[in-house]
Amino acid sequence: KQEVTQIPAALSVPEGENLVLNCSFTDSAIYNLQWFRQDPGKGLTSLLLIQSSQREQTSGRLNASLDKSSGRSTLYIAASQPGDSATYLCAVTPWGYQKVTFGTGTKLQVIP
Amino acid sequence: NAGVMQNPRHLVRRRGQEARLRCSPMKGHSHVYWYRQLPEEGLKFMVYLQKENIIDESGMPKERFSAEFPKEGPSILRIQQVVRGDSAAYFCASSPAPGERANIQYFGAGTRLSVL
Repeated sequence: KQEVTQIPAALSVPEGENLVLNCSFTDSAIYNLQWFRQDPGKGLTSLLLIQSSQREQTSGRLNASLDKSSGRSTLYIAASQPGDSATYLCAVTPWGYQKVTFGTGTKLQVIP
Repeated sequence: NAGVMQNPRHLVRRRGQEARLRCSPMKGHSHVYWYRQLPEEGLKFMVYLQKENIIDESGMPKERFSAEFPKEGPSILRIQQVVRGDSAAYFCASSPAPGERANIQYFGAGTRLSVL
C-alpha cells in the first residue's frame, strides 16, 4: 500500500526566502508525481507534474525533482512571496492503476 | 475545452437528508474518480468509475454512499441520510481513455458539503 508523507507539516518563512518542501513515498513503482496547491476553502491547482521517466520539472519560480529509487520528491520555491501562502500537496499515481495517493500537505505561510 | 465541472460548489444539508454531488468530466474523458477531504485531513480516494461501470469502490464507506457514471450525463456521488461526519470537500477528477496520457487526472474545484 502506497503511503505518501510530507515534511514539514507547516512552514513559516519571511518573504524573499528560498524554500524546499519534501515528499516521500513508499512504493517506487509510480507513473507520475504531481504537486498541487490548495488555498483555504478552494480547489486544487496543479503546479507541476513529473513523469516517472523524468528527473525534474520547472515552472517559473517552482522546481520539482523526483528520485524514484529513494522515493523522494522536492518542491523548490525561489524568492517566496506572500501570495505563495497555501497548502502544498504531493500526489502519486501508480503504474497500471488509477488510485492517486495524496500526502497530507505542507501548510506554507510567507510573511511580508 | 472546459475543465472538470462540479456542482454545486457548496451544499448544505440537515442530518438525515440526501446529498447529490455532480461531476461532469472533461470532454473526451471516460474515467471519473471521487476523492474526499475531511477537515484537517488529506484527500482520500473513494471510487473509480468508467461509463456504466464501477471499477474500484474500495474507498467508499460501506453504507449510505453510492456512485454512478451513466452512459449519458454527469457522474453522481450520492450520500443518503447524511450525518455531521460527512461534512467534507468532495473532489472529482477525470482522465482520458487508456493511452499515452491515461494516468493524468484532472481535478474539479470540489463540492463542499456541510451537514447541520
